[in-house]
Amino acid sequence: GEDVEQSLFLSVREGDSSVINCTYTDSSSTYLYWYKQEPGAGLQLLTYIFSNMDMKQDQRLTVLLNKKDKHLSLRIADTQTGDSAIYFCAESWYAGNNRKLIWGLGTSLAVNP
Amino acid sequence: DTGVSQNPRHKITKRGQNVTFRCDPISEHNRLYWYRQTLGQGPEFLTYFQNEAQLEKSRLLSDRFSAERPKGSFSTLEIQRTEQGDSAMYLCASSKGEIQETQYFGPGTRLLVL
Repeated sequence: GEDVEQSLFLSVREGDSSVINCTYTDSSSTYLYWYKQEPGAGLQLLTYIFSNMDMKQDQRLTVLLNKKDKHLSLRIADTQTGDSAIYFCAESWYAGNNRKLIWGLGTSLAVNP
Repeated sequence: DTGVSQNPRHKITKRGQNVTFRCDPISEHNRLYWYRQTLGQGPEFLTYFQNEAQLEKSRLLSDRFSAERPKGSFSTLEIQRTEQGDSAMYLCASSKGEIQETQYFGPGTRLLVL
């Protein structure tokens, strides 16, 4: 079945690193995504990783993919108060012509000054 | 900025009324998606279009919901005879329709049914 799981809450101090974890079930997923949602706003694409990659780095963001364990993580270095938001993990799903994203429930990140 | 836009941003209506939301995707994107999001949840897929063709509809999309994309550009989502349970954020996203299916989201329309 299709399922994406994330821990619901994470609290860090400003300046520390944040690590948000996600597990997924569909081993055929080609792309995995991280989106950020600030209160009352839409979803902002942060980064994505192709399934044949182990790691992707983009400025303060590092994505690690363990395909064997179906585990994805997002590390935010030097976390700032502006990083406080909900972070969603999503996996791509294909069946014939049908394509969609399967979403986790989101991890609420609180950054304390 | 030519990102995804949605109108209106907020809508308050009385139970039983009809509402219509509009989404304008990124211009070169041929896929358009509608999602619903309630508090504390991730986006729930409702339906999607490739150009003007509606390719999939979720079981969540009852007969009161209808979506159109008549010319393969903007799309509308109509909810007839609204119920309080329809209160949610309605999100639209678009993508190029390639294998690398990155979806870009609009700001959403927040619906409150009284």
